[in-house]
Amino acid sequence: DQQVKQNSPSLSVQEGRISILNCDYTNSMFDYFLWYKKYPAEGPTFLISISSIKDKNEDGRFTVFLNKSAKHLSLHIVPSQPGDSAVYFCATPLSRMLTFGGGTRLMVKP
Amino acid sequence: DTGVSQDPRHKITKRGQNVTFRCDPISEHNRLYWYRQTLGQGPEFLTYFQNEAQLEKSRLLSDRFSAERPKGSFSTLEIQRTEQGDSAMYLCASSLVNSYEQYFGPGTRLTVT
Repeated sequence: DQQVKQNSPSLSVQEGRISILNCDYTNSMFDYFLWYKKYPAEGPTFLISISSIKDKNEDGRFTVFLNKSAKHLSLHIVPSQPGDSAVYFCATPLSRMLTFGGGTRLMVKP
Repeated sequence: DTGVSQDPRHKITKRGQNVTFRCDPISEHNRLYWYRQTLGQGPEFLTYFQNEAQLEKSRLLSDRFSAERPKGSFSTLEIQRTEQGDSAMYLCASSLVNSYEQYFGPGTRLTVT
């Protein structure tokens, strides 16, 4: 049973607009979350993370929001750029391993 | 560049053959992880090392799979008697001991025919 879920397999956004990628988790004990970006034929690249003591973390165009009561987090990309087109994974540490969602493919149209 | 490197990047093998992959982590990272990713899925944990000690293995890691990290630096993942279901991207990652952030290599894509 998936402990981290990304229910949207794909998302298409116009360049310059906001991209919102969503992730739900099952266990309220999870206390740290990470987002990774993956281009084809490359390994995942760490993007941004958030601890459960915060509800928001921002790094440039990327902001992650955490809603602990809803067991939901989201990644906002503003403004979206064509180079952001990739698959995005949310993940949480379980023991020392990372458990990943299934990913959302983001396509940013010029 | 001192990122995680993996070799080979692609491997095509016939069913029943053995294959071995290599991973060189970021030099100052004590922890090294192996994951497997199939199409449309997120990476799935296989095993991890802290220095040379293999500390955790997934149930996904059947008896045909073995991993080593002999001197606490590079690691190898061997698959014996490959099956078509082993076809996947094999990813290696490394991290510092006290960090959740794992840094991934480019992966080795295995195709078993």
